[in-house]
Amino acid sequence: LAKTTQPISMDSYEGQEVNITCSHNNIATNDYITWYQQFPSQGPRFIIQGYKTKVTNEVASLFIPADRKSSTLSLPRVSLSDTAVYYCLGFEGGGFKTIFGAGTRLFVKA
Amino acid sequence: GAGVSQSPSNKVTEKGKDVELRCDPISGHTALYWYRQSLGQGLEFLIYFQGNSAPDKSGLPSDRFSAERTGGSVSTLTIQRTQQEDSAVYLCASSLEGGLTEAFFGQGTRLTVV
Repeated sequence: LAKTTQPISMDSYEGQEVNITCSHNNIATNDYITWYQQFPSQGPRFIIQGYKTKVTNEVASLFIPADRKSSTLSLPRVSLSDTAVYYCLGFEGGGFKTIFGAGTRLFVKA
Repeated sequence: GAGVSQSPSNKVTEKGKDVELRCDPISGHTALYWYRQSLGQGLEFLIYFQGNSAPDKSGLPSDRFSAERTGGSVSTLTIQRTQQEDSAVYLCASSLEGGLTEAFFGQGTRLTVV
């Protein structure tokens, strides 16, 4: 059973860089690692996806070591509006039965 | 449409009644997912459709839950004889292909069973 493990919560201050690490020991060879963000009363929103090494977009960076058993989502210079729950996705059954873990609740303070 | 649309946005029903929740995915998206999220909890996978077929129904909590998708587009999640523990937000998502790659979620249907 594919499972992800993330810290339950993190606190940060505006302007800081935040790194959230997820472990996914059972990820399949052909699975991508995907992160989502969820604000209260909204559905999750895709942030970033990668397979290995590093991926960067306008929102975040994703670092994936060679063994792919973990990944780190990096949010540069967070603001109050980045307060949300962040999920990394685990996969089961070839990626069709995707599993959301409990996520990491990030709280950004002024 | 521009995004995934779910209806109704809110539903209050009496225990024992049947409810139908509707999801309109983004046009052209072949994969469709249903999730359930209880207050303050993570997302619980319910079912996945590839086209009109559901390769995996194992996430459905009981035989009171069923889902169908017609024409590779609209999907309906039906809960029969609702119970109070069914109260949750039901989220639908769609993506161009499977694996939840860059999936887009709707705003959800908040179901309250009284």
